Amino acid sequence: DAGITQSPRHKVTETGTPVTLRCHQTENHRYMYWYRQDPGHGLRLIHYSYGVKDTDKGEVSDGYSVSRSKTEDFLLTLESATSSQTSVYFCAIRDSRRSSGNTIYFGEGSWLTVV
Amino acid sequence: AQSVTQLDSQVPVFEEAPVELRCNYSSSVSVYLFWYVQYPNQGLQLLLKYLSGSTLVKGINGFEAEFNKSQTSFHLRKPSVHISDTAEYFCAVGKADKLIFGTGTRLQVFP
Repeated sequence: DAGITQSPRHKVTETGTPVTLRCHQTENHRYMYWYRQDPGHGLRLIHYSYGVKDTDKGEVSDGYSVSRSKTEDFLLTLESATSSQTSVYFCAIRDSRRSSGNTIYFGEGSWLTVV
Repeated sequence: AQSVTQLDSQVPVFEEAPVELRCNYSSSVSVYLFWYVQYPNQGLQLLLKYLSGSTLVKGINGFEAEFNKSQTSFHLRKPSVHISDTAEYFCAVGKADKLIFGTGTRLQVFP
């Protein structure tokens, strides 16, 4: 258990509405990530953060923005949700301790349906 | 750039039979390699990882994987599977700031 909490765990929203997913960690890890999981695509990186207010794009960042104002929280926002953003979203942290070898640990996921 | 290929999208196997899930990667630099398992409606759980040293890595639940640098492979094996091993398995590669995942292999164990 890497102390990762995602909220909400399940959400149904309408096309065109904004949606924010929250990831909270309790272990002060520097790196945090947002991935989406879709059948046939595995996990794809949306955005990641390497510190407070330091973020970068992943391979599928279009339509998403992120913010990290505190070490413990990493927010993913869909400014105007589309049906193609229906997916399972996973937050992750990287354990940068030497013994861990930069292992990435995942939260339980947030199921988002855009109708 | 790094990439991961999991050659089999589904692997059906009978209980107590051996299984191998294949993973090939490409990278221009040395990397760390990981296998994760995902049970239905859950997050991903780390099975095992290769960082350096011995090329045979043992993980949880009786799984092991062998790093083969010349073939750029990191295949996952288990000598005798159980029904409870039914899940999706993801291979991942990375070293710096992020991991790249394969598309996953669904292992279905039949009684």
